[in-house]
Amino acid sequence: ETGVTQSPTHLIKTRGQQVTLRCSSQSGHNTVSWYQQALGQGPQFIFQYYREEENGRGNFPPRFSGLQFPNYSSELNVNALELDDSALYLCASSFRGSGELFFGEGSRLTVL
Amino acid sequence: GQNIDQPTEMTATEGAIVQINCTYQTSGFNGLFWYQQHAGEAPTFLSYNVLDGLEEKGRFSSFLSRSKGYSYLLLKELQMKDSASYLCAVRSLTLSNDYKLSFGAGTTVTVRA
Repeated sequence: ETGVTQSPTHLIKTRGQQVTLRCSSQSGHNTVSWYQQALGQGPQFIFQYYREEENGRGNFPPRFSGLQFPNYSSELNVNALELDDSALYLCASSFRGSGELFFGEGSRLTVL
Repeated sequence: GQNIDQPTEMTATEGAIVQINCTYQTSGFNGLFWYQQHAGEAPTFLSYNVLDGLEEKGRFSSFLSRSKGYSYLLLKELQMKDSASYLCAVRSLTLSNDYKLSFGAGTTVTVRA
């Protein structure tokens, strides 16, 4: 167990809706990264947060946004959901500069 | 950008050895990771190489050649519980001078009795 917790574990939404996913970092970690993993694929980097600011972003549209809070926990928000947003969303915490990621169990989003 | 290739599937027998190859093309290379992911679970860290050569960790070993853009993960004395997806991931520096991991699509290893 990595000490990274995510909620909810599963959820179902419909096209056009909005979703918020939450992540609590492992104690002592100050950086949070979010990844999207479609079925049968590797995780794709969405973005990373450090000191409550976005600190790097992958190839995802602006409707994917995030927040990091003073206690280093984080949220991923996705607006105007599309069918292709159905995936496992993984949060990973780390200590800035260390490079090793500790993943949570993920939130599985299904968009109908 | 990153381009990371690994085989889609491999099958082996319990007790055997399997080698999973990974080739990559990347800018700002700063290390290569291997993760194991069981179905429906989060990836878990297996190994890390930043210099050329072999890193051994029990039944698992990982090799890196930076000049060839090549790595492999060697799984020895296979057990049924080793059936999982194995993800090759390249670490690189972001524009804001922190690290990000870029993953391959994963290799599904099936261990048969």
